[in-house]
Amino acid sequence: AQSVTQLDSQVPVFEEAPVELRCNYSSSVSVYLFWYVQYPNQGLQLLLKYLSGSTLVKGINGFEAEFNKSQTSFHLRKPSVHISDTAEYFCAVSISGGYNKLIFGAGTRLAVHP
Amino acid sequence: SAVISQKPSRDICQRGTSLTIQCQVDSQVTMMFWYRQQPGQSLTLIATANQGSEATYESGFVIDKFPISRPNLTFSTLTVSNMSPEDSSIYLCSVADSPNQPQHFGDGTRLSIL
Repeated sequence: AQSVTQLDSQVPVFEEAPVELRCNYSSSVSVYLFWYVQYPNQGLQLLLKYLSGSTLVKGINGFEAEFNKSQTSFHLRKPSVHISDTAEYFCAVSISGGYNKLIFGAGTRLAVHP
Repeated sequence: SAVISQKPSRDICQRGTSLTIQCQVDSQVTMMFWYRQQPGQSLTLIATANQGSEATYESGFVIDKFPISRPNLTFSTLTVSNMSPEDSSIYLCSVADSPNQPQHFGDGTRLSIL
């Protein structure tokens, strides 16, 4: 079975500072990895995905993530955050190939302060 | 990616009643998924709905409580039956446009049970 651990439940940061949201996963088979963002009173929006290929993945809104197979990690980074980045961020994993369910981490609340 | 519309966006219901949530997609999709997000929690898959076959439920979720219909390739419903306060959650529909691609989510239905 697959599992996802988001190591920080909350991350406070000042505007224009860099941020890293940590995600580790566990799986005995090949997986796809995703980051989703949830703004207040909204559904989930896909930030970025790792399916195969380059381990450095760039997404929307200036976010990027790096797949590290040896450390089973998929940390999300942004070099300079904005107030509008305040939201809940979810790391998710699915078994690679076909249509498969998403297993979500517990989420990280990013709070950007002026 | 597909545009997903969920109705209602929110509702307040009396315990013991049932509510049907609709999920409409603007294009044909093979697989649709229903997730539950309890207050302050992450997302958990309820079931997977493939057109023309019975939905596949995850452990802990049963058809009598969460009946699902999938009459065509653009539409699905989830019914929350005999509701109790513990059913107060956000219910989200997601779709996969094609295999090996990320799921995209609707804005969710925010359900409160009194």
